[in-house]
Amino acid sequence: GAGVSQSPSNKVTEKGKDVELRCDPISGHTALYWYRQSLGQGLEFLIYFQGNSAPDKSGLPSDRFSAERTGGSVSTLTIQRTQQEDSAVYLCASSLEGTGDFNNEQFFGPGTRLTVL
Amino acid sequence: AQTVTQSQPEMSVQEAETVTLSCTYDTSESDYYLFWYKQPPSRQMILVIRQEAYKQQNATENRFSVNFQKAAKSFSLKISDSQLGDAAMYFCAYRSRVGFQKLVFGTGTRLLVSP
Repeated sequence: GAGVSQSPSNKVTEKGKDVELRCDPISGHTALYWYRQSLGQGLEFLIYFQGNSAPDKSGLPSDRFSAERTGGSVSTLTIQRTQQEDSAVYLCASSLEGTGDFNNEQFFGPGTRLTVL
Repeated sequence: AQTVTQSQPEMSVQEAETVTLSCTYDTSESDYYLFWYKQPPSRQMILVIRQEAYKQQNATENRFSVNFQKAAKSFSLKISDSQLGDAAMYFCAYRSRVGFQKLVFGTGTRLLVSP
């Protein structure tokens, strides 16, 4: 596709259940990022993938959160034993590379709104 | 660690008027990038304008311009000739020039545009 896509668009789950959120980056982009946007807050970095390198997981808030990127393309963010404070919009972004080049723009997907009841 | 502060939760402007959104940041780095993103109700973040810290000249993109004051660590966005389609959340963001490229965001300013 032309842009970053995410699925599902919305997800409602019960406290304690596991959820999987999917991100399809722009074809050819080697860098992929996950961010979380809680109500009234800016975006908070969660995790970063660059090519075949080990991901940077420094932003993951707890060990209930994990992510993988298969074949250097599609990524899945998994939240285990969801809590109400996990309710947020989860945004994925991709860029051509993960370098500091000024023109290495991050392109965002439309996000998944997660609601934990 | 870098931080970004947007002190205006909400701003209002009338069509065709000019509005300025404020942003300050804190960093010990000398070389970095600053961005303004727009987030409409569709949730998709759209890059509005960007600035390289080592460039003195303020960036401009059509009706959008910035006032970058490096010493004051200030990066405001000016929207001229405001249009109804400009109504959205606006986020200021910082990105280091070294290391991997996560964006550090402020909490956003909601811009309301009235006819």
